[in-house]
Amino acid sequence: QVQLQQWGPGLLKPSEILSLTCAVYGGSFSDFYWHWIRQPPGKGLEWIGEISHSGSTNYSPALRRRVTLSLDTSKMHFSMNLTSVTAADTAVYYCARMGRAGDLLTWGQGILVTVSS
Amino acid sequence: QSVLTQPPSVSAAPGQRVTISCSGGSSNIGRTTLSWFQQLPGTGPKLLIYDTNKRPSGIPDRFSASKSGTSASLDITGLQTGDEGDYYCAVWDSSLDALLFGGGTKLTVL
Repeated sequence: QVQLQQWGPGLLKPSEILSLTCAVYGGSFSDFYWHWIRQPPGKGLEWIGEISHSGSTNYSPALRRRVTLSLDTSKMHFSMNLTSVTAADTAVYYCARMGRAGDLLTWGQGILVTVSS
Repeated sequence: QSVLTQPPSVSAAPGQRVTISCSGGSSNIGRTTLSWFQQLPGTGPKLLIYDTNKRPSGIPDRFSASKSGTSASLDITGLQTGDEGDYYCAVWDSSLDALLFGGGTKLTVL
């Protein structure tokens, strides 16, 4: 059964770059889309973007200018970079896998990222 | 403010039935299938429904969903205290080329 394991910094200063990585265990990249989703404390889910196994991407209109997704099939992981972070980017960040049926079935464990000076 | 509109909260007694609505538009719910997620306190989101009305393996048939036009609904029957949490709808929007989440509905089992 596929598992996603994510890692990254828990604390950043304003204007820094947030880099997160999600490793895929027990599955392949093919035929799936790989997503990033975040959830500010006490708030709802916000989609960040997706990347296909071939590397094509779609981004949230609200974050498009600051986010970049990438994947490394040789290392079986995918990553996100978010530039110029502010306190508003404080959130739990999740990676997730979407299947052909549009099912976001598998999620990473989530990482709380705090932006504070 | 979300493009997908959900009621902020719903409540019902144990054993009862509750319906959570999700209202969207012609470029999202009116155009394609959607998903529903459950988020219990202190945990990550869990897929309850995908492809509008399909349940992943392990999800009990107390959870069902449907859509009509630009609105969708999630039905939960035989409510249990363990169902308390937040519920989100999600759908791809073809105009934005983005996945949208509803604002979430907090379910309280009285």
